Amino acid sequence: KQEVTQIPAALSVPEGENLVLNCSFTDSAIYNLQWFRQDPGKGLTSLLLIQSSQREQTSGRLNASLDKSSGRSTLYIAASQPGDSATYLCAVSKGAQKLVFGQGTRLTINP
Amino acid sequence: DGGITQSPKYLFRKEGQNVTLSCEQNLNHDAMYWYRQDPGQGLRLIYYSQIVNDFQKGDIAEGYSVSREKKESFPLTVTSAQKNPTAFYLCASSATLTGIQPQHFGDGTRLSIL
Repeated sequence: KQEVTQIPAALSVPEGENLVLNCSFTDSAIYNLQWFRQDPGKGLTSLLLIQSSQREQTSGRLNASLDKSSGRSTLYIAASQPGDSATYLCAVSKGAQKLVFGQGTRLTINP
Repeated sequence: DGGITQSPKYLFRKEGQNVTLSCEQNLNHDAMYWYRQDPGQGLRLIYYSQIVNDFQKGDIAEGYSVSREKKESFPLTVTSAQKNPTAFYLCASSATLTGIQPQHFGDGTRLSIL
């Protein structure tokens, strides 16, 4: 059974720092991996999707990498801003878009 | 604007009552999904649908039912058999079920017990 783990559960950093969020998964036979952002009381916003054949994806200050063989993905956020404060979730799929989610990392950027 | 609309935003259920959560999308997506989110936990899949008149159970389908009579609508009924229904419910859609396109989410419905 696929299990997804995100460490740390919470992270607080000063504004302007670069930071890395981690995601690990137990079954490397995945179809894709997605990173989402969730603001309090809201739904999820898709940030980046990495296909199993890809190594990384970039969008603005965000860069996500995927290492299937080691079962790991990282989300790199450059020059963090207070508006980046949210919970970040990663999810993997193995066909049929049935996503398995991690528990999320709650990120706080302090002005 | 294209998107997913969930209603109501807040819902209260009495003992023994069935309640229905609405999910409508105007993205012309084929696939739709229902997830449950409990505090401090990730999302868990309840049901998903690939096309109209077809749906499949997810990991925690017991106590829930769905229908897919129209492409744009995928309502979720929380039945009285679901003994712990208090949670945040999220509906999502994707263009297909193949995993190439990302899933898009609504803003959720928070269900509580009276």
